[in-house]
Amino acid sequence: SQQGEEDPQALSIQEGENATMNCSYKTSINNLQWYRQNSGRGLVHLILIRSNEREKHSGRLRVTLDTSKKSSSLLITASRAADTASYFCATDGSGGGADGLTFGKGTHLIIQP
Amino acid sequence: NAGVTQTPKFQVLKTGQSMTLQCAQDMNHNSMYWYRQDPGMGLRLIYYSASEGTTDKGEVPNGYNVSRLNKREFSLRLESAAPSQTSVYFCASSGTGGGVPQHFGDGTRLSIL
Repeated sequence: SQQGEEDPQALSIQEGENATMNCSYKTSINNLQWYRQNSGRGLVHLILIRSNEREKHSGRLRVTLDTSKKSSSLLITASRAADTASYFCATDGSGGGADGLTFGKGTHLIIQP
Repeated sequence: NAGVTQTPKFQVLKTGQSMTLQCAQDMNHNSMYWYRQDPGMGLRLIYYSASEGTTDKGEVPNGYNVSRLNKREFSLRLESAAPSQTSVYFCASSGTGGGVPQHFGDGTRLSIL
């Protein structure tokens, strides 16, 4: 079953604007990860946030985690055309991810030039 | 560095045929995974191998078998292909334990007629 659910399913913004995607999940987690998938390619890891962390930054990416609400958000600042892709959140189970990750359905982000 | 390499990239099968999807990683990772991705869905775990010599079922293992041939290679076999197995199959690998990113291949696009 899908653990994470991203919102919105699709998002179209102008280049230079910020993009925010949300992820909700159902059960307790150890870690939450965000991945990017360009059309026809495999997933690429973006950032991992642990359950005891509330916010994490990596370049133009900012991830927040609210374990009380079982939700996370991914913010991409100053978007670029190259950011056009699908974005997935992934959560781990009791194995902390060693027994695989559970992915949401993804947000398809389109950056208009 | 090649990372995770999957072969073939595309394949068309007839119902009832068998096939083995190959995956190899050159990152000296202990853990390897097979996922499937259907349209509009996130990835779902088929099987995983936490270390050489071990394999375990994921969320959707029915109709599949796996072999962890050695530390580098993890193959997925469809013994009698069915149209419901039409999907994009991704192999991934990761370091030991939880809370580490997974590295993905570019997928095998499989159609079952």
